Amino acid sequence: AQSVTQPDIHITVSEGASLELRCNYSYGATPYLFWYVQSPGQGLQLLLKYFSGDTLVQGIKGFEAEFKRSQSSFNLRKPSVHWSDAAEYFCAVGPMNYGGSQGNLIFGKGTKLSVKP
Amino acid sequence: DAGVIQSPRHEVTEMGQEVTLRCKPISGHNSLFWYRQTMMRGLELLIYFNNNVPIDDSGMPEDRFSAKMPNASFSTLKIQPSEPRDSAVYFCASKLGRQGNEQYFGPGTRLTVT
Repeated sequence: AQSVTQPDIHITVSEGASLELRCNYSYGATPYLFWYVQSPGQGLQLLLKYFSGDTLVQGIKGFEAEFKRSQSSFNLRKPSVHWSDAAEYFCAVGPMNYGGSQGNLIFGKGTKLSVKP
Repeated sequence: DAGVIQSPRHEVTEMGQEVTLRCKPISGHNSLFWYRQTMMRGLELLIYFNNNVPIDDSGMPEDRFSAKMPNASFSTLKIQPSEPRDSAVYFCASKLGRQGNEQYFGPGTRLTVT
């Protein structure tokens, strides 16, 4: 069955510290991979996505993610966290034919990030 | 460009009442999705449309829920009758139906059923 696992429900880091949020997926083939961020009271905003090619993907707000096929992982990283990064982060996968009539994504449960001053 | 527009942003209603949530997708997008988010169940896909046609409604909880997309620029999600367990944030998202394109989310409607 297709699934996305974000093993950490809640993470707290100090401002300026590095961050890594974990995401593992179970899928029949290499999927499209996404990270979204949700600030309190807001909708989800795309941080970055991976389709193919370079396995290290750069996104907005200084985030990056690395696709590791052997580990079925797509972990999100940031070298130095800012207080404004406090939010909930969602990993999602979509099928290789993610377009047309095959448009749905599978989302993880999310990881809530708190930032200590 | 305007993003996905949802209305109302907040809705408080009494059990048994009909609730209609509205969504205007981004112009030119041909896929539209309705999600429900709760603390207990996280983000759940309810239904999605492609070119105004419902493709997968397996996530719709029960017959009290219905969704329509009469044209490319408007969709509704209706709950009749509403129940307290329907309290959640409902998101609409749209995408351009090419491979790999991301979904763009609206701000959500926070529904409270008392």
